[in-house]
Amino acid sequence: EMVLTQSPGTLSLSPGERATLSCRASQIVSSSYLAWYQQKPGQPPRLLIYDASSRATGIPDRFSGSGSGADFTLTISRLEPEDFAVYFCQHYGRSPPYTFGQGTKLEIK
Amino acid sequence: QVQLVQSGAEVKKPGASVKLSCKASGYIFTSYYVHWVRQAPGQGLEWMARMNPSIGTTAYAQSFQGRLSVTSDTSTTTVYMELNSLRSDDTAVYFCTRGNWNYRDAFDIWGQGTKVAVSS
Repeated sequence: EMVLTQSPGTLSLSPGERATLSCRASQIVSSSYLAWYQQKPGQPPRLLIYDASSRATGIPDRFSGSGSGADFTLTISRLEPEDFAVYFCQHYGRSPPYTFGQGTKLEIK
Repeated sequence: QVQLVQSGAEVKKPGASVKLSCKASGYIFTSYYVHWVRQAPGQGLEWMARMNPSIGTTAYAQSFQGRLSVTSDTSTTTVYMELNSLRSDDTAVYFCTRGNWNYRDAFDIWGQGTKVAVSS
């Protein structure tokens, strides 16, 4: 079964800085079925990126995804105050199970 | 607008069952999968099950096999999740979410979550 490992566990940065979050899979992710979600306290997750690099509707272009195979990255080019949250990567697609990474907490430095 | 609205919080004793609902609106109910995902306090996300409302088929995570049942009612556009033999580690927020084929089945719409507490 696929295991997704996110790093770092916590990332401390200031508004305006660039954030780079990593997601490594235990197997090759077929067809780049890799998504990124943002979750704020008390809220459900919000889809940011699907297919490793495609932004969902309404997502600002400061969010970008990259990678293929087993290594994926979420980059936030210039952090806004509302970007401080927990980020999860996910392997999805037509066949279950659907696996989430353990999350990266992005906190204000 | 497109939304999933879930039922309210539950408190259950160990060994009991809980049945949660997730009502879909604003889209064609039978055209999208609905999934259940849970999140224990302070923890990550755990996928539980997938329902295809069009034909009523389901898929379950191995860790829940035998005590989880997901059903749907197309007349009310509602998906139900029933978890049996509850344990304290089933305490979590349970989300329903839609798999959107426009996003190659990534989860684009989420319910507000239902908190389930299991305690004696």
